[in-house]
Amino acid sequence: DAGVIQSPRHEVTEMGQEVTLRCKPISGHDYLFWYRQTMMRGLELLIYFNNNVPIDDSGMPEDRFSAKMPNASFSTLKIQPSEPRDSAVYFCASRGTGRPKSYGYTFGSGTRLTVV
Amino acid sequence: QQQVKQSPQSLIVQKGGIPIINCAYENTAFDYFPWYQQFPGKGPALLIAIRPDVSEKKEGRFTISFNKSAKQFSLHIMDSQPGDSATYFCAASERGNYQLIWGAGTKLIIKP
Repeated sequence: DAGVIQSPRHEVTEMGQEVTLRCKPISGHDYLFWYRQTMMRGLELLIYFNNNVPIDDSGMPEDRFSAKMPNASFSTLKIQPSEPRDSAVYFCASRGTGRPKSYGYTFGSGTRLTVV
Repeated sequence: QQQVKQSPQSLIVQKGGIPIINCAYENTAFDYFPWYQQFPGKGPALLIAIRPDVSEKKEGRFTISFNKSAKQFSLHIMDSQPGDSATYFCAASERGNYQLIWGAGTKLIIKP
């Protein structure tokens, strides 16, 4: 199993540009989470999906952020327009519900976003 | 009530020492308490987890101690090594709710 795959690993963009982050969860996991991590705010949950359906998006900071999960193997987080304060590491994580050992989240390696 | 309070924020221990990281919670509906380890440039990874029906769980050099009445749990690392240097997060979730509530993290440095 290749784990949770995120792309790109690094993204540098200019303020006002659209940014799209991508995530491929572990096959068979039915929950997918998007987090943002900064030194100041720690790990913040942005949104999570269950069986491709958004369940809680209350952590999405503004309308500039949107997330989709068109199928069980792919999700995107889009920021349009981007601002310097969006600079952070964005993590995707997935988890299953079938067995006790699957209770843990598996995180991707993250996308480091820098908006200049 | 949904918070998990983690301390200390940072910790420096000599190799071989026993770092202890503490977490406290208020929500009595929490029934799953994992610890995650994060190395620079990587996502957090599940280290060890406990449910409130036991007071202690060990996996290798890592031990969770759980005090249900005090609503506290802690992570101990026996015979700590420089390779254990990382940021550690505690978390909690309610039964049937797969959303984790995270502590703020502890940056641990093990000096050789």
